Amino acid sequence: NAGVMQNPRHLVRRRGQEARLRCSPMKGHSHVYWYRQLPEEGLKFMVYLQKENIIDESGMPKERFSAEFPKEGPSILRIQQVVRGDSAAYFCASSPVTSGTQSRKTQYFGPGTRLLVL
Amino acid sequence: SQQGEEDPQALSIQEGENATMNCSYKTSINNLQWYRQNSGRGLVHLILIRSNEREKHSGRLRVTLDTSKKSSSLLITASRAADTASYFCATAGANSKLTFGKGITLSVRP
Repeated sequence: NAGVMQNPRHLVRRRGQEARLRCSPMKGHSHVYWYRQLPEEGLKFMVYLQKENIIDESGMPKERFSAEFPKEGPSILRIQQVVRGDSAAYFCASSPVTSGTQSRKTQYFGPGTRLLVL
Repeated sequence: SQQGEEDPQALSIQEGENATMNCSYKTSINNLQWYRQNSGRGLVHLILIRSNEREKHSGRLRVTLDTSKKSSSLLITASRAADTASYFCATAGANSKLTFGKGITLSVRP
């Protein structure tokens, strides 16, 4: 069972370009979370999605950032008109659908996408 | 504000020694989790302790949770050079999202 896959692993963009980050959850997982890690800091929650639904986007910046998790295919985190402050490592995590309280379930993290904005 | 805050921020020990890392948090939680991150890599889940548990073991890891003090500790026994990494505690509330501390940098000298 492959782990959480993220691509690309490294992404370089110039200011004003768009960045698309992809996340394929573990097989059987239909809950996806995106986190951002700035240098020397811990991870900050951005958004929590289930298939075709955004459950919690309280950590997403109000502008330029969007996320989706379609019925088929990976989850996408999209950053429009990137700025230097968007440079960070973006991690995706997934957890399975099970009975019981979802919040007790372990999240498995991907290797991250390191975005550098020039 | 930061939910999980680890201390110390950095810890350097000799191989074979035990490493103790602490984490404090502010709000009520459903569970607390510890993760390890090697430099430039993703996070590896180490252990989860539920709010109704007080202690949990996994191999050389021992985690305690004191909900009255809103604190947790991670003990790594008989440390190895390969344990060198950053360690994060993360709390999960009712809405599933994890709130991470800034991490502890552990260096184990061979």
